[in-house]
Amino acid sequence: NAGVTQTPKFQVLKTGQSMTLQCAQDMNHNSMYWYRQDPGMGLRLIYYSASEGTTDKGEVPNGYNVSRLNKREFSLRLESAAPSQTSVYFCASEGQIYEQYFGPGTRLTVT
Amino acid sequence: GNSVTQMEGPVTLSEEAFLTINCTYTATGYPSLFWYVQYPGEGLQLLLKATKADDKGSNKGFEATYRKETTSFHLEKGSVQVSDSAVYFCALSERGTSYGKLTFGQGTILTVHP
Repeated sequence: NAGVTQTPKFQVLKTGQSMTLQCAQDMNHNSMYWYRQDPGMGLRLIYYSASEGTTDKGEVPNGYNVSRLNKREFSLRLESAAPSQTSVYFCASEGQIYEQYFGPGTRLTVT
Repeated sequence: GNSVTQMEGPVTLSEEAFLTINCTYTATGYPSLFWYVQYPGEGLQLLLKATKADDKGSNKGFEATYRKETTSFHLEKGSVQVSDSAVYFCALSERGTSYGKLTFGQGTILTVHP
């Protein structure tokens, strides 16, 4: 049972480049989330998906898009990366009693 | 809106000392409350939870009680170990919508020395 997996673990981009962060869960959860974690800011919600086929914006959606490909997979795309998007990105899925399970994170640097 | 306030860190303790990390919250409804732990270089792990007033969550020697009257969910451990060194996040989950948005505190860094 892998839980929540994320790829890649590390990424360096130049300003203006694009990339997709991948997330998958094997717990048959309906809801999935993308957060970013910055020093002194805690975790902030970027996008979420309450179920397959639906996505909604969180607190800080600008500069990002998401796709809920199927029940297992929820990807986050940066179309034109900016230095302000340097962060650690976490994907999570939600269990039966509203607890969330987090992946190991992707450490992204935009130069 | 909802908010979570944690005591500021960092907190530095000697092994076997007693730990308290304060957490208070503001919520419009009846949230579920959580403590998460993050070890260096890793994602967040659920440490314990409480879903209603007076519930006590516990795990790995850590405890926290959901106090509605004081809107608090303080984390305690009687005897900390070096391996408890990590960042601890208090969080609440808002229901009544189609998703369980987690609102996090800022995190408290705990360092335990031998």
